[in-house]
Amino acid sequence: GENVEQHPSTLSVQEGDSAVIKCTYSDSASNYFPWYKQELGKGPQLIIDIRSNVGEKKDQRIAVTLNKTAKHFSLHITETQPEDSAVYFCAASINTGGFKTIFGAGTRLFVKA
Amino acid sequence: SAVISQKPSRDICQRGTSLTIQCQVDSQVTMMFWYRQQPGQSLTLIATANQGSEATYESGFVIDKFPISRPNLTFSTLTVSNMSPEDSSIYLCSVEETPYGYTFGSGTRLTVV
Repeated sequence: GENVEQHPSTLSVQEGDSAVIKCTYSDSASNYFPWYKQELGKGPQLIIDIRSNVGEKKDQRIAVTLNKTAKHFSLHITETQPEDSAVYFCAASINTGGFKTIFGAGTRLFVKA
Repeated sequence: SAVISQKPSRDICQRGTSLTIQCQVDSQVTMMFWYRQQPGQSLTLIATANQGSEATYESGFVIDKFPISRPNLTFSTLTVSNMSPEDSSIYLCSVEETPYGYTFGSGTRLTVV
């Protein structure tokens, strides 16, 4: 079955710097790759996603890249702010009529003011 | 996107007792999902709940321990039965919103003492 590995588990950056979180997946049939942000005491929130027919997608300060050949995808946050501090989860999904989704282990991001 | 209300937000329970978690969605959805998030861990799917049929459980989760009801297209409950400290986790319900991925409730933080 699908396996998703996420690195690093913890990331600390200075405000204004960039943060990069990387994930790899095992099942080449995966075709949808969402990223979720989970703040303390809340459920995960979808922040950006990418489909397998796209190599890169950007939304303001966040961007996601996908390398299907290498089976890895990354989240890039530029100009980080303290409110970006949260746990970020990547996921890989296979659309089999509904999505079968496997989540990465999560990255705890600290943005220091 | 859908708005999910999940209750209770947190509870402290005695071992051997049961807790029922409620999940209300503001729109009709075909499938609802229940996840467990153990402390500092990622999200693990417990089961998928379709209205009008038995829930489908993932490997390692059984109906006797986690009975699920899905009486209509906007509501579901998950019961954690005969609780032990190992059941202390955050329990999350979610709905699939193609093409928006999953929307999650805010979670129920359960502590078993």
